Amino acid sequence: NAGVTQTPKFQVLKTGQSMTLQCAQDMNHNSMYWYRQDPGMGLRLIYYSASEGTTDKGEVPNGYNVSRLNKREFSLRLESAAPSQTSVYFCASSEGQLNTEAFFGQGTRLTVV
Amino acid sequence: GQSLEQPSEVTAVEGAIVQINCTYQTSGFYGLSWYQQHDGGAPTFLSYNALDGLEETGRFSSFLSRSDSYGYLLLQELQMKDSASYFCAVRDKGYSTLTFGKGTMLLVSP
Repeated sequence: NAGVTQTPKFQVLKTGQSMTLQCAQDMNHNSMYWYRQDPGMGLRLIYYSASEGTTDKGEVPNGYNVSRLNKREFSLRLESAAPSQTSVYFCASSEGQLNTEAFFGQGTRLTVV
Repeated sequence: GQSLEQPSEVTAVEGAIVQINCTYQTSGFYGLSWYQQHDGGAPTFLSYNALDGLEETGRFSSFLSRSDSYGYLLLQELQMKDSASYFCAVRDKGYSTLTFGKGTMLLVSP
C-alpha cells in the first residue's frame, strides 16, 4: 500500500535555486494538498487541488507554484528558494474536497541556506 | 478566517487518561477532526465529529460541543507509543480544506 509518495525526502538548496517537490497518490483521490510544517506553527496550507485540472491558493502561497499534472500527481515548485522556505513539506490527499480524512505523505525536509 | 487553540504540551504517565482540548473560531463549521503525528512523520487521521457528542474508537474518544466551539480528544490507558503530537483540524465554509491547530505534544512517561 503506497498511499501518498513524496520525493525527495531531504533536500538542501542554496538561496535563489529552484526545485520541484513531487507527490503522487495511488488511492484515486480527487483532492490533493500541500502543507508546510514549521516548529510551533502546526500545518499550514500552501496550495490545494480540489479536483484534476483545478488549483487554489491556501494560507501561505507566496513563493510557490503548483501543478496538478493528472489525477495522481500534484507537484510544488519553488522558483527562487529563500531561507524562510526552510521547512518540512507534506503532501496529502482525500477522496473529495469535503472529506475530513486526509492521507499524508512522509514529508520532504527542505533546508535553504 | 479560522483559528484553533490547543495546549502546546501535555504530560501523563502510562495507564493514565489524558484529555487534549481544542477551541475553534470559524466562519461556518462542518466538523472537527483529530490527527496524530509521531516524531515529525506523516500525520495520521484519528477521528471526526460533525455532531455534538462523544465518538469512541478503541482507547481514543473525541467529543464535540458546537454551541461552545469546543472539542477534545480523550486518550485512555495511555501507552508509551501514544507519545506524539496531536492536532485538531476544522473544515469550514470559508476554506474548503482542513485548517490545523498548532498541535499538542503528549509526553507519556513510565
